Parts: sequence; C-alpha cells; structure tokens
Amino acid sequence: QVQLVESGGGVVQPGGSLRLSCAASGFTFSSYGMHWVRQAPGKGLEWVAFIRYDGSNKYYADSVKGRFTISRDNSKNTLYLQMNSLRAEDTAVYYCAKEYEAYCGGDCFFDYWGQGTLVTVSS
Amino acid sequence: EIVMTQSPATLSVSPGERATLSCRASQSVSSNLAWYQQKPGQAPRLLIYGASTRATGFPARFSGSGSGTEFTLTISSLQSEDFAVYYCQQYNNWWTFGQGTKVEIK
Repeated sequence: QVQLVESGGGVVQPGGSLRLSCAASGFTFSSYGMHWVRQAPGKGLEWVAFIRYDGSNKYYADSVKGRFTISRDNSKNTLYLQMNSLRAEDTAVYYCAKEYEAYCGGDCFFDYWGQGTLVTVSS
Repeated sequence: EIVMTQSPATLSVSPGERATLSCRASQSVSSNLAWYQQKPGQAPRLLIYGASTRATGFPARFSGSGSGTEFTLTISSLQSEDFAVYYCQQYNNWWTFGQGTKVEIK
C-alpha cells in the first residue's frame, strides 16, 4: 500500500534552515509528481511546491519562492524540501502528497498524503 | 492565481440531515476540481475528483457537481463519521485550495 512518511520537522529560530524529507513506498516513486502542502495551526491548506516525476520542473508558491527548494532522489524514493530564511509565518504542519496519475503534466490532484511533520519557527 | 472561495465557513447539521457545501473559483477551472475531507489530527483524504467522481472508500451519500466556476459537495444523510472539515482544490492552473468548510454537529 502507498505510504508517505515525513520527517525533519522541529523548532528553528527565525532566519534558520531546515530540511524536510518524505520517504515513499508502495508505488513507483519515479513515475509520479510530488507536492508539499502546509497547514498553519488552526488554518487551511496551502500548496507550497511541486516537482515533476523526473525532477525536470519545479514550481513554488510566491510565499516561499527564493527561500524553499524542492528536490527528489528517485534512487532513494525520497522527496525533500530545503527551507531557508525561515519566518514565523512558515510555522505549519508540512505534508507531502502524491499526484494521482503517473507522468502527469501538472493538472493532477493528490491521492495520497503523508501524516505531516510540524515546523515551528520561533525565537 | 485562481482564488477558491468556500461557503459557508461552518455548517451545523443534525445527523441524518443533508449538507450542501459550495465552492466558487475566481475563473473557470473546467472540471479540474477536487474535494478533500480532513478530520482533527489527520491528513486530508481525497474525497471527490473531476468535480463529481467519488474516490475509493467513500460511500454514495457523498456527491459532487458543477463545472467552470461553481461547485457543490452534497452529503445526503450525515453520519457521525462525516463531521469534519472539507476543502475544495482546483488543479486546472497550478493548485489552490479553498479555506475550508467545517461541518459540525447541530
């Protein structure tokens, strides 16, 4: 069965950095685009970043562009999110999510989500 | 950016009653609209995609309709396990979510 397990969250000071990981299993990871979505405490869902199945295209929300970098290692079935210059407003649970369709060109919804990892930016 | 607006923010419904949730897009998203269900402390779960196709594991009391800019999620007879927050998401042009509708027990 499909499993997505995030890790790497924690408490970090403003201006600091953190790298999140998402370990995938139960499907052919290298065939699917992947996303990061976040949810601030008590708030709604915010799409953060996307990476194509082969890593050739990456897209970011304006709120994180220039500070966050999405990447993947298909040999390790793992998705990453490098977060730099963190701000208090980046405090959230970060979810990785899998696209529904293999080799999707970008117009795909998300069929599986991990359980999330909490990032707290505070001094 | 396509803005998704959900209404109402909170819907108070008695078990067994019908619930109707709305989602409006700031521009046409065709039928590229999904709904997700989220319960406290859990990840979102895909409920509806393509505006009206029910995902695996959800019963027929859940239905979605609409196209273009206006969409509806209907729960025909609310059960206790249906009380949750529901989000719509467009995937026609990048990906954006509505702010959510909380369905609570009346």
